[in-house]
Amino acid sequence: DAKTTQPTSMDCAEGRAANLPCNHSTISGNEYVYWYRQIHSQGPQYIIHGLKNNETNEMASLIITEDRKSSTLILPHATLRDTAVYYCIAIKNTGNQFYFGTGTSLTVIP
Amino acid sequence: EPEVTQTPSHQVTQMGQEVILRCVPISNHLYFYWYRQILGQKVEFLVSFYNNEISEKSEIFDDQFSVERPDGSNFTLKIRSTKLEDSAMYFCASSEVAGTYLHLQETQYFGPGTRLLVL
Repeated sequence: DAKTTQPTSMDCAEGRAANLPCNHSTISGNEYVYWYRQIHSQGPQYIIHGLKNNETNEMASLIITEDRKSSTLILPHATLRDTAVYYCIAIKNTGNQFYFGTGTSLTVIP
Repeated sequence: EPEVTQTPSHQVTQMGQEVILRCVPISNHLYFYWYRQILGQKVEFLVSFYNNEISEKSEIFDDQFSVERPDGSNFTLKIRSTKLEDSAMYFCASSEVAGTYLHLQETQYFGPGTRLLVL
């Protein structure tokens, strides 16, 4: 599975869009990009995933560059409850285990 | 919305004792997983389970660990003789399917975790 690189921490003003970047320059064609978040020590919560196309759901949008070497998770209107550690994971379609890195600690500021 | 549940939420045990952590995966899911997270560290994969057998396991998952699906709903992780370093949050997860040649990597849904403290 491709290694992913994320900034250690980010701040975002409440109500503004939070844009969380992830580099996965060694990603292969059959690897999906998944985003999870973890609030305090709760279980990781699924946010969104994609392969090639941009994706949107009720929680977030995922923008994947055309060369697939990087992606951005967008939380359109961040709230205080979005303060969490966000993990970007690249995983093959034939793999079972998710590799969690250190993620990005997002703090939403009032 | 269906969710993964875990019991107990907290467990305190003495070193050398056996513990069993319990999970109820989402009902139509076929793949089950255990992960752990030592305080302040990354979430680490332990084991995946499908069709009543282990499909993958990590180096962490040694002979002290075992998993079982004793009935149609529960999935358990047993630690035979706990050590101090087993103190961690243990997360169960389940997915409807896992990666297949059909290019499908199903989402894993995680439970709230069991905090295990070994004294």
